[in-house]
Amino acid sequence: ETGVTQTPRHLVMGMTNKKSLKCEQHLGHNAMYWYKQSAKKPLELMFVYSLEERVENNSVPSRFSPECPNSSHLFLHLHTLQPEDSALYLCASSQDGQIYTGELFFGEGSRLTVL
Amino acid sequence: AQTVTQSQPEMSVQEAETVTLSCTYDTSESDYYLFWYKQPPSRQMILVIRQEAYKQQNATENRFSVNFQKAAKSFSLKISDSQLGDAAMYFCAYRSGFATSGTYKYIFGTGTRLKVLA
Repeated sequence: ETGVTQTPRHLVMGMTNKKSLKCEQHLGHNAMYWYKQSAKKPLELMFVYSLEERVENNSVPSRFSPECPNSSHLFLHLHTLQPEDSALYLCASSQDGQIYTGELFFGEGSRLTVL
Repeated sequence: AQTVTQSQPEMSVQEAETVTLSCTYDTSESDYYLFWYKQPPSRQMILVIRQEAYKQQNATENRFSVNFQKAAKSFSLKISDSQLGDAAMYFCAYRSGFATSGTYKYIFGTGTRLKVLA
């Protein structure tokens, strides 16, 4: 198993659909992240979970709903999305703490297309 | 607020040559880390090299090295003996050394697409 696994790799959905993105990390890390990657824009941090508790929500619309049931799994529930939400969604994990440098380990991403 | 700027959207380098990717950042913090990440086409982003702000010595990882100019807030990446496998998007990133709400803020640049010509 690779360190951080994301499924599905590709997703096409209509604006009225409900779908979920899944992320699993096998690294024993204590923090997990959702990022949105759009062309020619910096990575946009969406949500951060530290020790399974959401510690950051970067003004993300409520049509995106994260869930972290345990330290290894992270979901992003999608509902009533807009075409401008089409992007690559990256999951990452890190081991946070003062003695750690906090390198991010990324999954391969889920390419989302909203029709 | 911290910012990271990569002013080169795209760069090209001939195979076996050397290329330098630029990155500048802005921060008022004294404790932080700087990273270069590589994202090959359709593959996951991986760490290339890391620099701790308190270290004066420039980090080196095989063919990859950085030129860290703390006063100028500059953090460039040099790739020596470029290989076809180096073709990718390269992202410069800043990570605060101070935790906020139990986590550390990461700021990414917009990326530089590197093409390696055979």
